[in-house]
Amino acid sequence: DSGVTQTPKHLITATGQRVTLRCSPRSGDLSVYWYQQSLDQGLQFLIQYYNGEERAKGNILERFSAQQFPDLHSELNLSSLELGDSALYFCASSVGASGGDTQYFGPGTRLTVL
Amino acid sequence: SQELEQSPQSLIVQEGKNLTINCTSSKTLYGLYWYKQKYGEGLIFLMMLQKGGEEKSHEKITAKLDEKKQQSSLHITASQPSHAGIYLCGAYVLSNDYKLSFGAGTTVTVRA
Repeated sequence: DSGVTQTPKHLITATGQRVTLRCSPRSGDLSVYWYQQSLDQGLQFLIQYYNGEERAKGNILERFSAQQFPDLHSELNLSSLELGDSALYFCASSVGASGGDTQYFGPGTRLTVL
Repeated sequence: SQELEQSPQSLIVQEGKNLTINCTSSKTLYGLYWYKQKYGEGLIFLMMLQKGGEEKSHEKITAKLDEKKQQSSLHITASQPSHAGIYLCGAYVLSNDYKLSFGAGTTVTVRA
């Protein structure tokens, strides 16, 4: 158990819909990262938040957005969902803001868009 | 193209035999991480290497970092069924985006 929790574990929805994924980091970690893992793209970094502020942006679509709240939990919002958004979405956390910190991953949310 | 190339893509090993996975970067590495993933589950942190020549071991798993070659290897000795899974290397590479990049993964199957 990494100490990172994600909910829900599974999510099935239809195209065009909007969903919210939730992540709670390990106790003491200030950074939260979101990743998308699909068979064709592998594990792709989406976005990082550090202590409530956006820190780094990766391959995140405009239809996707995220935020980190004062209690440090984070939410990833996916809207206007397409079939290609079906993937595993992981949250990870680390102590600091910069590279070099070990990232600990949550169990993931499997999103299926029908 | 992947910034981190892993080889082999998959391998099957007889229980009790050794195996090695390689991870090579096309750019300068700043920290190399090894994770293990069971299919459809989260990534489990194995170890991190930061300095050239560094070698770390945990139980029967050893990882080394060759800074000159921008390469890391993961070696499992006397493999067991519990070693089965997908092994991913991740690294902060010298690029415009300071992010953790991952290889495509190596799927390890251990046959009894």
